[in-house]
Amino acid sequence: DIQMTQSPSSLSASVGDRVTITCQATQDITNYVNWYQQKPGKAPKLLISDASNLEAGVPSRFSGSGSATHFTFTISSLQPEDIATYYCQQYDNLPPMYTFGQGTKVEIK
Amino acid sequence: QVQLQESGPGLVKPSETLSLTCTVSGGSVSSYYWSWIRQPPGKGLEWIGYIYHSGSANYNPSLKSRVTMSVDTSENHFSLYLTSVTAADTAVYFCARVPRSSYFDFWGQGTLVTVSS
Repeated sequence: DIQMTQSPSSLSASVGDRVTITCQATQDITNYVNWYQQKPGKAPKLLISDASNLEAGVPSRFSGSGSATHFTFTISSLQPEDIATYYCQQYDNLPPMYTFGQGTKVEIK
Repeated sequence: QVQLQESGPGLVKPSETLSLTCTVSGGSVSSYYWSWIRQPPGKGLEWIGYIYHSGSANYNPSLKSRVTMSVDTSENHFSLYLTSVTAADTAVYFCARVPRSSYFDFWGQGTLVTVSS
């Protein structure tokens, strides 16, 4: 099974700061990594698909990059409404399997 | 806009079967794949499985022996059945759409299922 290691598990940053979260896969997963934002009591929301595609309506301060085993999610300028837990998610097609990272809780300093 | 809504009992006794239904509006279950994902309180997300309108399904190997999914195109909903539940199955259960093979774009609001006698 492919494992995803997401780091850090939590971070505290100031409004306007650049925030970076990483996910490392144990095998090459090409670009099958997606990023979600989850606010308390809510369902996850898809922000980035296929490593770097920004979903419609998602602010441009969110971005994703990477390929193979190393992936990065960035908030270029942290805003108060970005307080949430962020998850990476990978897809393996043989056999079909979806695995989420452990999550990163983002707080305002 | 596609909307998904989970429904089912919020309390299930140990050893019994958890049954949930996800009703889709604004779209048809006859397109795409449809998935179930769960989240134990205070913990991360776990994919349970997905089903296609044909009835073809794939399940997480860790749950495969206890999981069945079905789809009803006439009612535009799909369902999850998880047998022999224990307290470890207590979680918020989400249904979601899989527009292509690799991600989940629309989610239900989630429903908390507690396993307790």
